[in-house]
Amino acid sequence: GEDVEQSLFLSVREGDSSVINCTYTDSSSTYLYWYKQEPGAGLQLLTYIFSNMDMKQDQRLTVLLNKKDKHLSLRIADTQTGDSAIYFCAAFHSGTYKYIFGTGTRLKVLA
Amino acid sequence: DADVTQTPRNRITKTGKRIMLECSQTKGHDRMYWYRQDPGLGLRLIYYSFDVKDINKGEISDGYSVSRQAQAKFSLSLESAIPNQTALYFCATRGEGTGELFFGEGSRLTVL
Repeated sequence: GEDVEQSLFLSVREGDSSVINCTYTDSSSTYLYWYKQEPGAGLQLLTYIFSNMDMKQDQRLTVLLNKKDKHLSLRIADTQTGDSAIYFCAAFHSGTYKYIFGTGTRLKVLA
Repeated sequence: DADVTQTPRNRITKTGKRIMLECSQTKGHDRMYWYRQDPGLGLRLIYYSFDVKDINKGEISDGYSVSRQAQAKFSLSLESAIPNQTALYFCATRGEGTGELFFGEGSRLTVL
């Protein structure tokens, strides 16, 4: 079945770049998303990329997609303490309208 | 007011009890989803609905049922709760265009 995998934890120092990685199995995923979950809250969309794109940049966020390897990454430049959260990768399957989420990566930013 | 509202936000219950988690939305979206979140497992899909007459099972539907009473309301029921259903439950709606999911704030359920 479809699967999305992420590492569970990442720790960086304030001001450094963070890179969160994700791999997925369903090659027919049309959209790939990054969501952010702050403590005690629901998930909010950070950014997304369409499957025919290689890269998308949005202010401090850069998304890279390697469709051949089914690998997605999210780079956060100049990471701040407010970026500490859980980050979820999600793949959308247009045939079923299902979204498959990864396990989430807990980002801890050290001052 | 939140666009996607879940009630209750927190609930503690006992094994064998029937529990209903409710979700209502003001975004006018047709597609709605129920997920559960467990530490280290991420979000797993329980049920999803395309409209009031279209309900679909997700990966972990056993032990759960749903009801889509109206476009705006999608309820999740646990007919006989068991401790391994202790989790954080999220309702979400799907927007058009980019397909962004809009999440409620979650319902934390503890089954003793």
